[in-house]
Amino acid sequence: TQLLEQSPQFLSIQEGENLTVYCNSSSVFSSLQWYRQEPGEGPVLLVTVVTGGEVKKLKRLTFQFGDARKDSSLHITAAQPGDTGLYLCAGGNTGNQFYFGTGTSLTVIP
Amino acid sequence: IAGITQAPTSQILAAGRRMTLRCTQDMRHNAMYWYRQDLGLGLRLIHYSNTAGTTGKGEVPDGYSVSRANTDDFPLTLASAVPSQTSVYFCASSVTGTANTEAFFGQGTRLTVV
Repeated sequence: TQLLEQSPQFLSIQEGENLTVYCNSSSVFSSLQWYRQEPGEGPVLLVTVVTGGEVKKLKRLTFQFGDARKDSSLHITAAQPGDTGLYLCAGGNTGNQFYFGTGTSLTVIP
Repeated sequence: IAGITQAPTSQILAAGRRMTLRCTQDMRHNAMYWYRQDLGLGLRLIHYSNTAGTTGKGEVPDGYSVSRANTDDFPLTLASAVPSQTSVYFCASSVTGTANTEAFFGQGTRLTVV
C-alpha cells in the first residue's frame, strides 16, 4: 500500500503555463520533502517543510504543507523546459524513514 | 566528490540466482536506505539503517536482505531472484535518520531478472 499518492501522474504543458502537483496521504507526517529526478539520475532534494500550513518559495516554485500535515502541493509558475522531470514527494515519520509518493512526470514543451 | 557509489550500473540476472547490489558512501552519513523504483509506484523503501550495526524493514522487504557492518557500506542481497524484482534500485544516505534531513541518492542500479 502506497502511503503517499501524487496527482496527476503525467502532465504535459506549454512553456509559460502554470501547474500544480498534489501529494496526498491518510497518514500524518512529521515532515514533507519534494525531490526532482532527471532520467538516469537519482532524486535531488528541492525543499523540506515541517510545520502544518507552512509555505516555502524557491524562485518559481511554491511548496505548501497541509494544515493537518497529511498533504502537500507544488505550484510552478511560468513553467520552463528546464522544469521537465519527475517530481516526487516524500513523507518523514517518527521512525525516521522517508516514504516516497507515486511521482508526477512533468514535460514542458517549448 | 564521490558521494554515493552504486555497483553494478546494470545487470541481467537469471531467476533463482543470488545477487548483491553494492552501495558505498564517503560522506560519513549515519543513515542509509535502499529503494526500488517502478513506473507508477514512485520509490518504495526496501530496508534502512539508522546507524552502523542496525537495520530495519521498509515497505517491501520480502526477498531482500541487508547488512551494515560499517558506516560506509550498505549492500542489498537478493537471495534467489524472481522476475518481479526487475526494477531500478537506488541507495541513499542522510546525515542522521531524522525525517527532515536531506537524502542523497546514488545513480541507481538497473536490474532485470529473466
